[in-house]
Amino acid sequence: EPEVTQTPSHQVTQMGQEVILRCVPISNHLYFYWYRQILGQKVEFLVSFYNNEISEKSEIFDDQFSVERPDGSNFTLKIRSTKLEDSAMYFCASSETIYEQYFGPGTRLTVT
Amino acid sequence: QKEVEQDPGPLSVPEGAIVSLNCTYSNSAFQYFMWYRQYSRKGPELLMYTYSSGNKEDGRFTAQVDKSSKYISLFIRDSQPSDSATYLCAISGGYQKVTFGIGTKLQVIP
Repeated sequence: EPEVTQTPSHQVTQMGQEVILRCVPISNHLYFYWYRQILGQKVEFLVSFYNNEISEKSEIFDDQFSVERPDGSNFTLKIRSTKLEDSAMYFCASSETIYEQYFGPGTRLTVT
Repeated sequence: QKEVEQDPGPLSVPEGAIVSLNCTYSNSAFQYFMWYRQYSRKGPELLMYTYSSGNKEDGRFTAQVDKSSKYISLFIRDSQPSDSATYLCAISGGYQKVTFGIGTKLQVIP
C-alpha cells in the first residue's frame, strides 16, 4: 500500500539554524500539506500546496517557513532560523481529494 | 469558543466493550468530518471520513454526524487491545485546512 514517507525521523538543531524537513507524498496525489504537533497538544495545520503554489496557510506559517516541491516526488518544509518553540513533530500529508489526507510518520524536530 | 472540542480522556474499557468517542464543533460551515487514529509518536492514520449527517459504517467502526447539534461520534464495537491509541476527530470546511481535536486516549484492557 502506498504511503507518505518523511526524512529524517529525528532532527536536532541549534536555535537560529536552518532546517529542511523532507517528505515524499503518495505518487498520484495532487495536494500536499504540512502540520505540526507540539508535545501534548493538538495537530495544527501549517500550509497546503497545490499546483506548485501555496493554496492556504495558517498564522503559524510566517516568513520563517517556506515550502517547495523541488522535483516530481519530494516536498520540503524549510525553517530559516529555528526557535525553541519550533520543537515539535512535523507531519507531511498528501491527498488526491481535499478531505482524504494521508499522513507520514513525522519528523521530530528538537531545537536546543 | 474552540473550533473543535474533544475530551482528552484517558478512557479505559475492557476488551469487547463498545467504545463511544465524541467531538463537538462550533462552525456550521464545516462540511467534512474525519476520524484519525494515532499511535504514540506516529502519524495520524485516517480511519473514516463522511460528508453528510447520519451514520457510516466500516467493519467494527461507525462514524455518526449530527450537523444540527454540531456533534460527531465514533463507535468501536468489540474493542480490542490493538485499538488502544489516541483518536482524533478532524473537520474541514471543504478547503484544504483540516482542524483537529486534541484527541481522546483510549486504552482497551485485555
